[in-house]
Amino acid sequence: DTGVSQDPRHKITKRGQNVTFRCDPISEHNRLYWYRQTLGQGPEFLTYFQNEAQLEKSRLLSDRFSAERPKGSFSTLEIQRTEQGDSAMYLCASRTVTGELFFGEGSRLTVL
Amino acid sequence: AQKVTQAQTEISVVEKEDVTLDCVYETRDTTYYLFWYKQPPSGELVFLIRRNSFDEQNEISGRYSWNFQKSTSSFNFTITASQVVDSAVYFCALSDLSGAGSYQLTFGKGTKLSVIP
Repeated sequence: DTGVSQDPRHKITKRGQNVTFRCDPISEHNRLYWYRQTLGQGPEFLTYFQNEAQLEKSRLLSDRFSAERPKGSFSTLEIQRTEQGDSAMYLCASRTVTGELFFGEGSRLTVL
Repeated sequence: AQKVTQAQTEISVVEKEDVTLDCVYETRDTTYYLFWYKQPPSGELVFLIRRNSFDEQNEISGRYSWNFQKSTSSFNFTITASQVVDSAVYFCALSDLSGAGSYQLTFGKGTKLSVIP
């Protein structure tokens, strides 16, 4: 499979716990994006990387959220001290600088 | 600020009917991209089309067609002879045009299309 892959696909956690999601982009794509999608809404931009550099962060990305892309390959999105409002689908996407954006199947988070 | 409005929350059609999904956008940029994505129940967003603001020519791809009208800030999507497999949530989106820009997409809230056999 040469698409964008995300892991885990589903995560159920208790409020206050930390969770981490991983995204493996398409190998030749140097740009990687994280979006969040809540029920009944369209995806909302969180942050993006060009290679290992995080170039932009949305104001939606509170201090409890941190994203990394070491070595410019896979990326992780960590949420600390989860809250019920963090329940959402977290989508990863990747592209080349001039190419099209390809999305993964997402990681669904449920915070109890 | 950019904004995308998809006024139709849900649409149901009988198989083989034609259906049009509406999209209206707002942007201060003079150059931009417009997109349509399909999201089936599996959750993955599937790219359908990208148009840049320079090109208002309508496009047809099989049963799909898109009508871009800059004068009314609309980018509507028509499915001809709908099929059950077209059932999904469809999103319209907008982004900056520059390759050096963030290519951050602003999505509408989506239209859920149900095609009834």
